[in-house]
Amino acid sequence: AQSVTQLDSHVSVSEGTPVLLRCNYSSSYSPSLFWYVQHPNKGLQLLLKYTSAATLVKGINGFEAEFKKSETSFHLTKPSAHMSDAAEYFCVVGDTGRRALTFGSGTRLQVQP
Amino acid sequence: GAVVSQHPSRVICKSGTSVKIECRSLDFQATTMFWYRQFPKKSLMLMATSNEGSKATYEQGVEKDKFLINHASLTLSTLTVTSAHPEDSSFYICSARDAGASGGAAETQYFGPGTRLLVL
Repeated sequence: AQSVTQLDSHVSVSEGTPVLLRCNYSSSYSPSLFWYVQHPNKGLQLLLKYTSAATLVKGINGFEAEFKKSETSFHLTKPSAHMSDAAEYFCVVGDTGRRALTFGSGTRLQVQP
Repeated sequence: GAVVSQHPSRVICKSGTSVKIECRSLDFQATTMFWYRQFPKKSLMLMATSNEGSKATYEQGVEKDKFLINHASLTLSTLTVTSAHPEDSSFYICSARDAGASGGAAETQYFGPGTRLLVL
């Protein structure tokens, strides 16, 4: 069984300040981990993914995440928030057997001007 | 990049009618597609795994006679909500894996833009 916990349902930052969205996972296997972003009335977009290669993963739009097995964490970070980053972010763990995805509950990122 | 489309994007129907939602992979072949449901301000819940040429695999608690899935080709899966009722109103999202990808790329799912269903 696998699960993913997003520790914050809502995060608010000022434009130009760092972003940290927290995610912890539980998996019986060596997991595949993803971060997806969902803008209002838009489809889900893949930000980045970890599939047992480098533990520090760089994604699109300046986002990156670090896989820490000892902490079972996969936190998403960005050095400087932009207004266009305001959206819902989902941490996702992949089941390598069924290839199904399990979504976290989501974190809504608000960026203040 | 890989593109997945859904049609329709929005549908309003009367209670008791059936609604079909299409999910297409536009520039790749997908032996496996997934159907999710998203309630307002909630996360995505996996409903079923659609396998090309075979029966879909439903998650626990999802009625297979209510949500009919057909994956007739490598680029098309359909979800039919039969005898829809207001409680079926939701945002339905499909995703697809690229059958031609290997290694880490094979783990990536590409999501459609979603279909908003409102049952009156």
